[in-house]
Amino acid sequence: QQQVKQSPQSLIVQKGGISIINCAYENTAFDYFPWYQQFPGKGPALLIAIRPDVSEKKEGRFTISFNKSAKQFSLHIMDSQPGDSATYFCAASLKWGSRLTFGEGTQLTVNP
Amino acid sequence: GAVVSQHPSRVICKSGTSVKIECRSLDFQATTMFWYRQFPKQSLMLMATSNEGSKATYEQGVEKDKFLINHASLTLSTLTVTSAHPEDSSFYICSATGQGANYEQYFGPGTRLTVT
Repeated sequence: QQQVKQSPQSLIVQKGGISIINCAYENTAFDYFPWYQQFPGKGPALLIAIRPDVSEKKEGRFTISFNKSAKQFSLHIMDSQPGDSATYFCAASLKWGSRLTFGEGTQLTVNP
Repeated sequence: GAVVSQHPSRVICKSGTSVKIECRSLDFQATTMFWYRQFPKQSLMLMATSNEGSKATYEQGVEKDKFLINHASLTLSTLTVTSAHPEDSSFYICSATGQGANYEQYFGPGTRLTVT
């Protein structure tokens, strides 16, 4: 019930391409869905977040698509750049500011 | 976004000794702080949740007597690993949230603990 499943485990994209990472959850009480970006040896940084009352949120090159009925959400990175190479984690929580349940992570490599 | 710091960034200690890690929210009052550990190429595992002025709530399987958490002020939480052993070697990361951070969860830069 508390799990968040993330795929793919790793992703290689060419510069300028679109990176897509998917997550699925089971607990319908989850109310907050953030994405974090983590570089090696650093803490995760909040990238973008969405609540289930909207189906899409865009911030710059990053877009979250949310499908409440399918209990799935995804991160799209447009015009991917080598500097985007990092590990991305989706997460979910019952409410803003409460404990997060993380997905397994996706290691993104953007080739120049 | 809000800023969370951790100190030290790296620490090496001998087996059997204790080590303290500090987590500070620099520009907001953190009513809740979280402590995670992360092994190489793995996801973050929540260890405990602490609310200012209250005892920490530990996740199942986390030894509360081994991982002592104190959240004595709205800007500081500490994690003390007592009687550390090599298997405690890991990347420890804190996060903080509060009204001043719009209840988003902001993470510190992490502390790499190596127990020899």
